[in-house]
Amino acid sequence: TQLLEQSPQFLSIQEGENLTVYCNSSSVFSSLQWYRQEPGEGPVLLVTVVTGGEVKKLKRLTFQFGDARKDSSLHITAAQPGDTGLYLCAGASSDYKLSFGAGTTVTVRA
Amino acid sequence: DAGVTQSPTHLIKTRGQHVTLRCSPISGHKSVSWYQQVLGQGPQFIFQYYEKEERGRGNFPDRFSARQFPNYSSELNVNALLLGDSALYLCASSLGPQETQYFGPGTRLLVL
Repeated sequence: TQLLEQSPQFLSIQEGENLTVYCNSSSVFSSLQWYRQEPGEGPVLLVTVVTGGEVKKLKRLTFQFGDARKDSSLHITAAQPGDTGLYLCAGASSDYKLSFGAGTTVTVRA
Repeated sequence: DAGVTQSPTHLIKTRGQHVTLRCSPISGHKSVSWYQQVLGQGPQFIFQYYEKEERGRGNFPDRFSARQFPNYSSELNVNALLLGDSALYLCASSLGPQETQYFGPGTRLLVL
C-alpha cells in the first residue's frame, strides 16, 4: 500500500492546456519531493518543498506544499508534449526514507 | 559528471535462483538507497546504506540483502527468487542519509 495517494492516476490533455496533479497523505513529512520518470529510466528530481505553505515555481511548473505538510500539488501551465511522463511525489520522514505515491501518468497530445 | 550507474540494465532469472545487482553512486556521495518499483506502482524503499552500515530497512523479506563497499558502491542480493520479484530495481545516491537522493536508470529484473 502507498502511504501517499496521487490523483488522478491518468491524465491526457491537449498541448497548451493546463493540468494539476495532487498528492495527499494522512502523515506529516519533513519534506516532499516531486519526480518525473520516463519509461525505462529512473525518476528525475524536479523539486523539493520543505516549509508548510511553500510555493515553488520552475518555469511552467508550480509546486505547492500544504500548510500541514501532508499534501502537495503540481500545476503545469501550457503543457507541452515534452511534459509527458510519470509524475511521482515522495515524502521524506525524519530519517529521510522516501515514501512514494503510485504516480500520475501524464500524456500531452500534440 | 557521471550520474548513478547500475548494472546490469536487464536480467532474466528463473524461480529459485539468486541475483546480484550493482550500483555505483555519484562521485562524493556516501549514501546509497535501494528501491523496488513494480509495474504501475511507485518505488518502494528496500535499504539505505551510509558509510558501509545499514541505516534503514523497508518491509521486505530476509531474502533481500545488501552491502556497501569502501568505495561506496553497493550490491543488492535477492535469494530464492519469486515471480513477484519481477520489477525495476532502482538505486539512489546522496551525499548523506538525509540529503537529496539522485536515482540511477535501474535494473529491470524478470523472473520466469
